[in-house]
Amino acid sequence: EADIYQTPRYLVIGTGKKITLECSQTMGHDKMYWYQQDPGMELHLIHYSYGVNSTEKGDLSSESTVSRIRTEHFPLTLESARPSHTSQYLCASSDLTGPTVYGYTFGSGTRLTVV
Amino acid sequence: QKEVEQNSGPLSVPEGAIASLNCTYSDRGSQSFFWYRQYSGKSPELIMSIYSNGDKEDGRFTAQLNKASQYVSLLIRDSQPSDSATYLCAVVAGNEKLTFGTGTRLTIIP
Repeated sequence: EADIYQTPRYLVIGTGKKITLECSQTMGHDKMYWYQQDPGMELHLIHYSYGVNSTEKGDLSSESTVSRIRTEHFPLTLESARPSHTSQYLCASSDLTGPTVYGYTFGSGTRLTVV
Repeated sequence: QKEVEQNSGPLSVPEGAIASLNCTYSDRGSQSFFWYRQYSGKSPELIMSIYSNGDKEDGRFTAQLNKASQYVSLLIRDSQPSDSATYLCAVVAGNEKLTFGTGTRLTIIP
């Protein structure tokens, strides 16, 4: 079954550690996105990619970085985690065909806590 | 002005009644419109998409789009307690990225 997977589901980590949040999709979608969402707050786009070797920063400034070496894989990395990075990180993908975009499919998210 | 605006709520509706959620958008060139449902602590789930003016029905859900007024709405008939969630309006504008509203929190009162 085509889907989008995020790991880990929950992560508690100490300040200064390097972390990578994984996101993979089996739908063959070219477009992938990372959103950050604090509890009860709105979604903020932090990174997106329209294909292999293509990455762009989103609307919300983030200290994280992303890579897109394979179509199905879009990991997010924090070189040095800080308590301000504590949030939920949501990965999504979409299939854009002409002027009609089919809605994004979201992964289950990673809830990150930096202590 | 925000690109996508929703009443933040919370909106409380008795069980069995119709819940009406509203959304306005600023980019007249927008062509794709979506409603997502997000339960607390979960990721957004696509429940409706609409691309042309008028109504689109799917079970208890009806999406309505009026491009002239730059307005999209979601009606939930026969509201159930399981409909209690935050509903996110999302619009694709000229930059081809999905822009989300801040969401409306809906509570169905048994």
